[in-house]
Amino acid sequence: EDQVTQSPEALRLQEGESSSLNCSYTVSGLRGLFWYRQDPGKGPEFLFTLYSAGEEKEKERLKATLTKKESFLHITAPKPEDSATYLCAVQAYSNYQLIWGAGTKLIIKP
Amino acid sequence: DTAVSQTPKYLVTQMGNDKSIKCEQNLGHDTMYWYKQDSKKFLKIMFSYNNKELIINETVPNRFSPKSPDKAHLNLHINSLELGDSAVYFCASGALGGSNYGYTFGSGTRLTVV
Repeated sequence: EDQVTQSPEALRLQEGESSSLNCSYTVSGLRGLFWYRQDPGKGPEFLFTLYSAGEEKEKERLKATLTKKESFLHITAPKPEDSATYLCAVQAYSNYQLIWGAGTKLIIKP
Repeated sequence: DTAVSQTPKYLVTQMGNDKSIKCEQNLGHDTMYWYKQDSKKFLKIMFSYNNKELIINETVPNRFSPKSPDKAHLNLHINSLELGDSAVYFCASGALGGSNYGYTFGSGTRLTVV
């Protein structure tokens, strides 16, 4: 069964303290892995798509990486405005559905 | 310019009522989706329409009926509302399967059934 697990559930960091969020997945034939950011009271906002192991993508303080079993979202020198829930989703070649993780709630304290 | 707009943002209603949520996108996408996000933040696909054709219909009660009058609109009608229907419902649009640009989500409709 296709499955996505994100860890930790919540992460509190001081401003400037770098860390990583994990997304472990099981899927029969990965078509793509997606990262989204969700702020309270808003819909998820697209960040990255990764397609193959070894691929990396960057956007400001965020860098996403992909292996055959997991993806990491590295956040470097975070700022309070990076506080949000980060969602990971995978898509299999067998259908067009996205299978979502429950997210990691990231809190950056000034 | 709101890319995906859904209304209303909040909906409080009594059990047994019928309600609708409307969604419109101005991005020119050919595929639209309805998602349900429960209290644990899991996003679950409910329906997907591609060019007004239903392509994904997950196991949801048949009290939920989507309607797509054109590819820019996907509305959700819910009959005989139950307490368990309380959740946040998101509309989204995108290329079929997500692609490099992912989906664009609306801001959600928080449905509370009392």
